[in-house]
Amino acid sequence: AQSVTQLGSHVSVSEGALVLLRCNYSSSVPPYLFWYVQYPNQGLQLLLKYTTGATLVKGINGFEAEFKKSETSFHLTKPSAHMSDAAEYFCAVSDLTSGSRLTFGEGTQLTVNP
Amino acid sequence: DTGVSQDPRHKITKRGQNVTFRCDPISEHNRLYWYRQTLGQGPEFLTYFQNEAQLEKSRLLSDRFSAERPKGSFSTLEIQRTEQGDSAMYLCASSPPGVAYNEQFFGPGTRLTVL
Repeated sequence: AQSVTQLGSHVSVSEGALVLLRCNYSSSVPPYLFWYVQYPNQGLQLLLKYTTGATLVKGINGFEAEFKKSETSFHLTKPSAHMSDAAEYFCAVSDLTSGSRLTFGEGTQLTVNP
Repeated sequence: DTGVSQDPRHKITKRGQNVTFRCDPISEHNRLYWYRQTLGQGPEFLTYFQNEAQLEKSRLLSDRFSAERPKGSFSTLEIQRTEQGDSAMYLCASSPPGVAYNEQFFGPGTRLTVL
């Protein structure tokens, strides 16, 4: 069975500081990995995904993530936080055995302080 | 492209009542998903359609829950005899044909409150 663990339910950074949101996954077969962002009272929006190939994936709004198989990790980073980045972020995993279903982590609430 | 739409956006009901939610996916998306999200948690998979066929159901989908996608376009999710534990955000997503890891586009959700 797949699972996702997001370390830190709340992360607070200053505007302009590095953003690092941690995600570790468990999957018995090669995973597909996703980061979604959710703003209040809205649905989820895809930031980036890893399927195969290059392990460093660039997404929208300056975010990127690196797939590290040896560490079973897919951490999300952004060099310089902006106030508009304040939202909840979800890491998710799927694979060929799970069909199309996504298994999400519990989410990390990002606060950006001025 | 108007995105995935869901109706209603909010629903308040009394325990024991039946409720039905509707999801309209992005046109030409043949895959449709339902997820449930409780406060402070990530979305949990409920069920998945490819065209009109319901291909997968989670164990979370008790016999009080039923989902349909009769013509392979919009979908409905019905909850019978609602319980307070059903209070949650119900999210619908759709994805285009092709590989299994195609992006799922999410709707704004229907927030259900059971009193």
